[in-house]
Amino acid sequence: GAVVSQHPSWVICKSGTSVKIECRSLDFQATTMFWYRQFPKQSLMLMATSNEGSKATYEQGVEKDKFLINHASLTLSTLTVTSAHPEDSSFYICGGPPGQGTGEKLFFGSGTQLSVL
Amino acid sequence: AQSVAQPEDQVNVAEGNPLTVKCTYSVSGNPYLFWYVQYPNRGLQFLLKYITGDNLVKGSYGFEAEFNKSQTSFHLKKPSALVSDSALYFCAVRDHDYKLSFGAGTTVTVRA
Repeated sequence: GAVVSQHPSWVICKSGTSVKIECRSLDFQATTMFWYRQFPKQSLMLMATSNEGSKATYEQGVEKDKFLINHASLTLSTLTVTSAHPEDSSFYICGGPPGQGTGEKLFFGSGTQLSVL
Repeated sequence: AQSVAQPEDQVNVAEGNPLTVKCTYSVSGNPYLFWYVQYPNRGLQFLLKYITGDNLVKGSYGFEAEFNKSQTSFHLKKPSALVSDSALYFCAVRDHDYKLSFGAGTTVTVRA
């Protein structure tokens, strides 16, 4: 299956700093990438959809100025958590469809555990 | 809006016994349904999907799922569970924008 590489796997940062999470599609071109957030023992909540060459689409309630998403190329999407605070601590995961077919599944990265001190 | 529900937070079974993880769906139109598994601190691994065709879908690692339109269900099953199947399982439904909406997840524990 298609491979999505997500880095870093773990990051600990101080409150007020910014953290960038990278999501790369290694063997397919991702025109779209989805960013999810997961709290411990909870489901995955869609935060935003990144689109190559255009602005990301954010779900209701997600602060676009806080969670900056950039889809610089067909193989790279990034999520930057700006001025991170402890409440931003969470597991972030990206996933993309490798094709345009209606039955396409998403392939996910291994996720990033963010801890803000 | 498309949604799925997983009525059980936890499922506990003995190794070798059948495993069932329940999922019901609510969609307008034809459902595109998926099952994913998540191991601790890991990403999601695709197990199987239903788009159209046979109601019984075969997937990875010996899992299968049965699509039941009349009951709006898509239960995940494995005839003989392994300890290594212990993980968090998510049912999901896809909308026309490829977005996946996930259920709350079911923690499966298989005891030796």
